[in-house]
Amino acid sequence: DVVVTQSPLSLPVTLGQPASISCRSSQSLVSSDGNTYLSWFQQRPGHSPRRLIYKLSNRDSGVPDRFSGSGSGTDFTLKISRVEAEDVGVYYCLQGTHWPQTFGPGTKLEIK
Amino acid sequence: EVQLVESGGGVVQPGGSLRLSCAASGFTFHDSGMHWVRQAPGKGLEWVSLIKGDDGRTSYADSVKGRFTISKDNSKNSLYLQMNSLRIEDTAFYYCAKDFYGLGDFWGQGTLVTVSS
Repeated sequence: DVVVTQSPLSLPVTLGQPASISCRSSQSLVSSDGNTYLSWFQQRPGHSPRRLIYKLSNRDSGVPDRFSGSGSGTDFTLKISRVEAEDVGVYYCLQGTHWPQTFGPGTKLEIK
Repeated sequence: EVQLVESGGGVVQPGGSLRLSCAASGFTFHDSGMHWVRQAPGKGLEWVSLIKGDDGRTSYADSVKGRFTISKDNSKNSLYLQMNSLRIEDTAFYYCAKDFYGLGDFWGQGTLVTVSS
């Protein structure tokens, strides 16, 4: 199975400051169809996960534009341009290129 | 508005069975692929199973293959997960999630399965 790692696992951020989460995969996530099936999810405390980004850099409907996804091959990044209080939670990346799909371990974002 | 509502969780003994349901509304269910994802309490997310919308093909995580069966009833807009030979390590919140360019543009609220003697 493709192993997905994230760093950092804990991310204290000051309100209004940017934040960045790294996701790495053990194999390239470029699919035979040319797409990169890397998604990002947010899970607020006590809530179900919510997808923020799909296919590397596409924001889901209703996701604020302060969230952005980038990267290539095996190295990916979720960036939050200015952290707000509602962004507290755990962030997961998911690779969907290789079966079975595998999640990263999660990055817990908290406010300093 | 898309809604996914899971039900059927509960407490079951090791070796027992349980059937989870997910009632879907607000989208064209028969065209949509659907997933089950689980999360042990306080732990991370684990993909469990997928049923594709176009051809109904199914796939499973190795951890549940041969024990769990995913199915959907398009006439009832419902997704199911039949879980047999349950193990303690199957204890988790189970979420159904819709597929749109991959897993999870919408998720249900989850249902808790506890496997304990």
